[in-house]
Parts: sequence; C-alpha cells; structure tokens
Amino acid sequence: GENVEQHPSTLSVQEGDSAVIKCTYSDSASNYFPWYKQELGKRPQLIIDIRSNVGEKKDQRIAVTLNKTAKHFSLHITETQPEDSAVYFCAASLTGTASKLTFGTGTRLQVTL
Amino acid sequence: DTAVSQTPKYLVTQMGNDKSIKCEQNLGHDTMYWYKQDSKKFLKIMFSYNNKELIINETVPNRFSPKSPDKAHLNLHINSLELGDSAVYFCASSQTEKAFFGQGTRLTVV
Repeated sequence: GENVEQHPSTLSVQEGDSAVIKCTYSDSASNYFPWYKQELGKRPQLIIDIRSNVGEKKDQRIAVTLNKTAKHFSLHITETQPEDSAVYFCAASLTGTASKLTFGTGTRLQVTL
Repeated sequence: DTAVSQTPKYLVTQMGNDKSIKCEQNLGHDTMYWYKQDSKKFLKIMFSYNNKELIINETVPNRFSPKSPDKAHLNLHINSLELGDSAVYFCASSQTEKAFFGQGTRLTVV
C-alpha cells in the first residue's frame, strides 16, 4: 500500500517568516495530494490540494508544489501568522479522490510573536 | 448547520464494555469513513462505506463493527473495549476530493 512520510515533525517560526513542510510518497500511481490543518482540539480541515497533472498550486499565502519524479510534495506558507499555528497533515490518494487517503504523520507548526 | 456531526464528543468507559459512536452527514455525500487518531496524532483510516456498502476495511480488530443504516449515517460499535482503543475517532464524508470531518469523539478506556 501507499506510505507517506512527513518532515519535520515540529516547526517553529517567527511571525512573518515562511514555513515549509515536506512529504514523500511511495506509490508512483498516487494522483491526488491534499493538505489538512488541524487546530488544537478541532477537526482536520482541507486547506489546499493538488493533482498529479499540476506542478504547483497557490491560494493566497499557501502554496503546494509537487515533484512526481522524486515523489515528493511540499506545503509553503508565507507571511506566517499566529493563527497558522496548528498540526498540518499531508495525504496521498491512489483513487484521485478522498476515498482512500494515506496521511503523513503530521507537522506541528508553532508561529511565535 | 453542522455538515458532519458525531456523538458523543467525549466517552469515558471501563475496559470490557461495549460502546457506540454515531455519525450523521447532511451533505448528501455517498462515501463515509471512520478514522482513528492516536495520542501521537497519527490519522489512520479504519473503514469506508459507499452508499451503505463497505468498501475499505483496514486491519481493524473484529471488535469494531461499523453499521450504515442509510447513506447519511455511519455508526461505529466497539465490543470489549481495551485500553489501546483510547483515541480520538473521527467520522468523515466525501463526494469526490474533499473530505469533511466530524468534530471527533475522544474515547478514554480506563
């Protein structure tokens, strides 16, 4: 089955700096890669996703890049704010949908003032 | 209106008991899931149902039995609870790409 590794496990940045979280996947047939944000005590929520036919996608301060050859994808958050503090999960899907997501192990992002 | 709702939010019970968690979605989605999030925050899929039919059953002990009376509901029944079952259980639903999660049920087995 698919295996997704995520790094780093914790990340601390100062407000205004950028944050980058990286994931690698094992199955080259995976074709859909969402990112979820989970605030403390809350539910995971989708923040951005990318399909395998696209190399980069941007939504305001967040962007995701995908390198299919290397089988890795990354989340970039620019101009970080305290409300960006949360656990971020990458995931990969072989079906192109959310029907069978394999999640990474999560990155706890702390944005300090 | 809450899109995916699950009850209860907290559940504390003794080892050996049987308990159920209920989940309902009002999004009209065909697919519903149960995920388990352990103390290290790992999120792992347990079951997936599409239109009331089981399509994914990961290596979950037989003590866990999902039941889908209709496509808007997916309940999780757990028999003979063990200490290792303590976790947060999330229900979710999706139609295509985006999965919507419930607020989670924190199960503590003592």
